[in-house]
Amino acid sequence: GAGVSQSPSNKVTEKGKDVELRCDPISGHTALYWYRQRLGQGLEFLIYFQGNSAPDKSGLPSDRFSAERTGESVSTLTIQRTQQEDSAVYLCASSISRGQGSGYTFGSGTRLTVV
Amino acid sequence: GESVGLHLPTLSVQEGDNSIINCAYSNSASDYFIWYKQESGKGPQFIIDIRSNMDKRQGQRVTVLLNKTVKHLSLQIAATQPGDSAVYFCAVGYGGATNKLIFGTGTLLAVQP
Repeated sequence: GAGVSQSPSNKVTEKGKDVELRCDPISGHTALYWYRQRLGQGLEFLIYFQGNSAPDKSGLPSDRFSAERTGESVSTLTIQRTQQEDSAVYLCASSISRGQGSGYTFGSGTRLTVV
Repeated sequence: GESVGLHLPTLSVQEGDNSIINCAYSNSASDYFIWYKQESGKGPQFIIDIRSNMDKRQGQRVTVLLNKTVKHLSLQIAATQPGDSAVYFCAVGYGGATNKLIFGTGTLLAVQP
């Protein structure tokens, strides 16, 4: 598509429930990133996918967080047993390749609210 | 560890004035620096970048200055317009590994008409 698409745009869930966030990167972009943005804060790196290489999961805050990506297409970020501290905007970005920070294109994010 | 911070969380300027947004970083090995603009409800949008082998880079109405000695980065916006109102983030990478860009907290730029 023309841009990075994320769904849903907003998600309200009850504490303890699982949620799944989706990211459709720009076609042809081999690199895909997930970031978390808490209210009034900067972007916190979560995970990075590059083609068929093993993902860099070093930013995932706990084992309740996981992400998958099939090839160079859609990625899903799953949060299990959500906690109120998980409330944030989850941003996805894609780029043509690693080392192309200027080529990062961000989606509009999914605003997750855990009540 | 790496930390990136901004000196001013909110900057209010008059339309037509020049704006300067500052950013400090801690890792001297950082070699790639980017400024992003984030409007309400949207994802960050690339503005301008600079590598550590440069001190200054200019774009359309924007200039980025890099002072590696004091590990300081600034974004200058000339003739600020209402459309420039947004949160501005600096981001820092190193070793070409922009898969782990470290983002600053952000500065809210409010342009007064």
